[in-house]
Amino acid sequence: DAGVTQSPTHLIKTRGQQVTLRCSPISGHKSVSWYQQVLGQGPQFIFQYYEKEERGRGNFPDRFSARQFPNYSSELNVNALLLGDSALYLCASSSFASQLTNEKQFFGSGTQLSVL
Amino acid sequence: GEDVEQSLFLSVREGDSSVINCTYTDSSSTYLYWYKQEPGAGLQLLTYIFSNMDMKQDQRLTVLLNKKDKHLSLRIADTQTGDSAIYFCAEKGGTNAGKSTFGDGTTLTVKP
Repeated sequence: DAGVTQSPTHLIKTRGQQVTLRCSPISGHKSVSWYQQVLGQGPQFIFQYYEKEERGRGNFPDRFSARQFPNYSSELNVNALLLGDSALYLCASSSFASQLTNEKQFFGSGTQLSVL
Repeated sequence: GEDVEQSLFLSVREGDSSVINCTYTDSSSTYLYWYKQEPGAGLQLLTYIFSNMDMKQDQRLTVLLNKKDKHLSLRIADTQTGDSAIYFCAEKGGTNAGKSTFGDGTTLTVKP
């Protein structure tokens, strides 16, 4: 079975542009979470979607948005890019949304975004 | 808010044991995780522990949890050069069920 797949693997944009990152979860997983990992730091939570609804949001500006499709794949959009948005964007999928279940998250290899 | 702290670097000799430590602040954490990240790769889940446990062993990995002190450790027995990577501690639970909070990672270097 395929793991979590993300595309593209690398992306270069300039300040002010918009970007869309894509994620396909593991087959059967209905929850997708997005994280931003700046070089030298741990991942920071951006969003979680479960059954196409937003279930959690981290401390990121409104320039960041996401959605989940009926096939449970997801897109992360970032508008008006800033230099500080340069980071590795990770997608994680899991079977359940509740903290009460054994929710193991499986991560993709990420999209490396560089903003010039 | 939630916070997770780790020491930044650890260096050991091949064959020795490695112990990576982590502290967290959220007393309502339900699960605590250890992930491994190699250069240019995503995160690989190594092991996890439920908050009502104090120890979990999985082959060369031993996780110890002191819930009173909010302290988590990962012991790697017989450390190999292939274990060289960045290790992240993370917690899940609290008010936002979908969110995992990560530390900034411990870079483990294994010398032959």
